[in-house]
Amino acid sequence: GESVGLHLPTLSVQEGDNSIINCAYSNSASDYFIWYKQESGKGPQFIIDIRSNMDKRQGQRVTVLLNKTVKHLSLQIAATQPGDSAVYFCAEKAAGNKLTFGGGTRVLVKP
Amino acid sequence: DTGVSQNPRHKITKRGQNVTFRCDPISEHNRLYWYRQTLGQGPEFLTYFQNEAQLEKSRLLSDRFSAERPKGSFSTLEIQRTEQGDSAMYLCASSSTGENGKLFFGSGTQLSVL
Repeated sequence: GESVGLHLPTLSVQEGDNSIINCAYSNSASDYFIWYKQESGKGPQFIIDIRSNMDKRQGQRVTVLLNKTVKHLSLQIAATQPGDSAVYFCAEKAAGNKLTFGGGTRVLVKP
Repeated sequence: DTGVSQNPRHKITKRGQNVTFRCDPISEHNRLYWYRQTLGQGPEFLTYFQNEAQLEKSRLLSDRFSAERPKGSFSTLEIQRTEQGDSAMYLCASSSTGENGKLFFGSGTQLSVL
């Protein structure tokens, strides 16, 4: 079960609807961004990435939007499925080779 | 299955004991990373290697923590004199040069310090 102290933002979405997960990043020098999905008991799994010279990138059922002006990143999931239930993290890379992760959003898909 | 393997999956230890975790990265990846994750938080960077060289260490990595990658393949992370605050998931990830920073993570080692 979850800790009483767990305070992840949670997005509840009906199966089949679209989901939008938002992320504010802090470093204006970041030039690369990734969305990861993490299921319980597993490590983060790569979903989609985007470089800072792009505004939008599409994958299979997922789209990432980048707004550098306001340092905002979003992940759109089309036709959300029960298997999409997980915690989603955005991560950014500035100088060097490490990723810095945000705080995560839990997505709960209701049947 | 990302191909990054971590052992053990779970470790329970008593405060003050030493623990060691192992990570086997994807074989063609020359970069290896260690992260720590506590419940409800995103992974926090600890350290990374390019081949056998440890190129960066976080301030989170106290002197009780040491990581090695002696032959540029697998890596170990040792925590000496464990404290209850060390309880966390320790994640290993690997990547190859030119991947823009896309990391492939293992399933982690869950450490519980009693």
